[in-house]
Amino acid sequence: GQQLNQSPQSMFIQEGEDVSMNCTSSSIFNTWLWYKQDPGEGPVLLIALYKAGELTSNGRLTAQFGITRKDSFLNISASIPSDVGIYFCAGLLNTNAGKSTFGDGTTLTVKP
Amino acid sequence: SQTIHQWPATLVQPVGSPLSLECTVEGTSNPNLYWYRQAAGRGLQLLFYSVGIGQISSEVPQNLSASRPQDRQFILSSKKLLLSDSGFYLCAWSARGPGEQFFGPGTRLTVL
Repeated sequence: GQQLNQSPQSMFIQEGEDVSMNCTSSSIFNTWLWYKQDPGEGPVLLIALYKAGELTSNGRLTAQFGITRKDSFLNISASIPSDVGIYFCAGLLNTNAGKSTFGDGTTLTVKP
Repeated sequence: SQTIHQWPATLVQPVGSPLSLECTVEGTSNPNLYWYRQAAGRGLQLLFYSVGIGQISSEVPQNLSASRPQDRQFILSSKKLLLSDSGFYLCAWSARGPGEQFFGPGTRLTVL
């Protein structure tokens, strides 16, 4: 089946620093999604990307849908303590009953 | 707007006991529904998904089963819990056709 490689697995950064994480796949997707999960809660959708090359922002978050449709990245600028959590990427194909393929997540720790 | 509920929020059960976790969605019709399990600090493992009442697809062989008795109700069950069934169980929904998944708050299950 399809697999996503999400990196890095974890990040420890200082408050105010910028963060970058990415996902790559051996196969193409029609949609890329980025979620954030706070401890003990369900993941929350941050950004959805629908078109190759698309660059979308949501506040301090920016994500891009790779031109090859096999990768995506998420950047967080000027990190703050509440950015702590697990970030998941997910790829979606139109012909897969709505099932998404999820990366294993990037755990972000922000030191004040 | 759409809302997804899960209960209970936490559950501690002895090995060999039965299990029933419930998920309901409000504000939408004919959703795709999903059950995931997440081990501590790990990614999301898709257990079951459903595209309609009574239609269940299992992703991995295991000690669990799922049912969809109503359009917006998804139930995860087990006849006899194992220690390895412990984890964080997440229900999600998406609109019919390819679309983003939206997650519930999760149920923390501990099997002792």
